[in-house]
Amino acid sequence: DVKVTQSSRYLVKRTGEKVFLECVQDMDHENMFWYRQDPGLGLRLIYFSYDVKMKEKGDIPEGYSVSREKKERFSLILESASTNQTSMYLCASRSQGASHEQYFGPGTRLTVT
Amino acid sequence: GQNIDQPTEMTATEGAIVQINCTYQTSGFNGLFWYQQHAGEAPTFLSYNVLDVLEEKGRFSSFLSRSKGYSYLLLKELQMKDSASYLCATNMNTGFQKLVFGTGTRLLVSP
Repeated sequence: DVKVTQSSRYLVKRTGEKVFLECVQDMDHENMFWYRQDPGLGLRLIYFSYDVKMKEKGDIPEGYSVSREKKERFSLILESASTNQTSMYLCASRSQGASHEQYFGPGTRLTVT
Repeated sequence: GQNIDQPTEMTATEGAIVQINCTYQTSGFNGLFWYQQHAGEAPTFLSYNVLDVLEEKGRFSSFLSRSKGYSYLLLKELQMKDSASYLCATNMNTGFQKLVFGTGTRLLVSP
């Protein structure tokens, strides 16, 4: 079974803190993604990566950065957390091929106070 | 979601049939996925369509019309556990393997 894990289910941080969200997949997938999900807005893509050290901006990259030093791990970084970054963050991975499904991690509920 | 439209919310009764529609932009289209997401959980894969056929998987079926930019998810013999959000997502021919998600349809199944 494909497994995508995220470092925390719940996280509370203060405004201005640097926040790291970690994601690991165990199926040797080339592609990894970070989304945030907010009520009424659906899943919005923040960044994705199609290979080690490669990254592409998604629809809402502002305020975020990412790191992919190893194939199985994709990190999302909030350089200086703000209250409008309070959200559910979902990591996903997918192999190459248009018909291949995307697998999601359990999500991290981040609250910035 | 970007150029993907689906109803925000639907209600149905246990045992009934419900159809959730999704329309999308056809330019660059390269396949459509349906995902189910229970409250507080991650989305899970339901189906994939790339041709104009009806794909059936138990109580769930998905249909695609490429020429019309339209898909639907059909849920039969509804059960309470089917109460969830249903996300439509398209695979676009951009060279990158990324999906574009709709905002989801929240389905509430009542007794």
